[in-house]
Amino acid sequence: KNEVEQSPQNLTAQEGEFITINCSYSVGISALHWLQQHPGGGIVSLFMLSSGKKKHGRLIATINIQEKHSSLHITASHPRDSAVYICAAASRGGSQGNLIFGKGTKLSVKP
Amino acid sequence: NAGVTQTPKFRILKIGQSMTLQCTQDMNHNYMYWYRQDPGMGLKLIYYSVGAGITDKGEVPNGYNVSRSTTEDFPLRLELAAPSQTSVYFCASRDSLNQPQHFGDGTRLSIL
Repeated sequence: KNEVEQSPQNLTAQEGEFITINCSYSVGISALHWLQQHPGGGIVSLFMLSSGKKKHGRLIATINIQEKHSSLHITASHPRDSAVYICAAASRGGSQGNLIFGKGTKLSVKP
Repeated sequence: NAGVTQTPKFRILKIGQSMTLQCTQDMNHNYMYWYRQDPGMGLKLIYYSVGAGITDKGEVPNGYNVSRSTTEDFPLRLELAAPSQTSVYFCASRDSLNQPQHFGDGTRLSIL
């Protein structure tokens, strides 16, 4: 079993829909990261959180430490949101905050 | 600031050849990382560095070497290229453990 699991693996949505991507982890963490990988391959950090909720524009990330679960929400989705979204856990026991990555969720938003 | 710059963007190697993937950052970050990304898999850590002169192995270091002679540069060396090293390689840096990582655009490497 992978230490960081994402669901779904693939997601197709219509423009305007509310989207949720889930991430479960089995290790104790110091922080949970959400990343976006563009179709061209570049990777951008969206959020880094250790508790509660963070919001940036139409993106919201939440984390429940007790349940070892995080969600990434996209409100009013748009075709430009089409990308792979990656969850990564900074293991509390890991050396130098090294990240354990999920396999990613490929999101396609249709106009 | 250019951020994290990787060169080359694409490369094809023959089995047994060697090459160096370059990574440089202009943000004065102490922490630098090399990852590989294989189809359908999460990123895997190859090597990392916490500062100039200090490097350490990650999860998949076999077949690779690194050096960190300056804060800015963190090259990754493949000595004897093997088909299993065909992958997309990403370099990343961060200022501290409380900050997110900044990624380069990646190097797509094929070994035939």
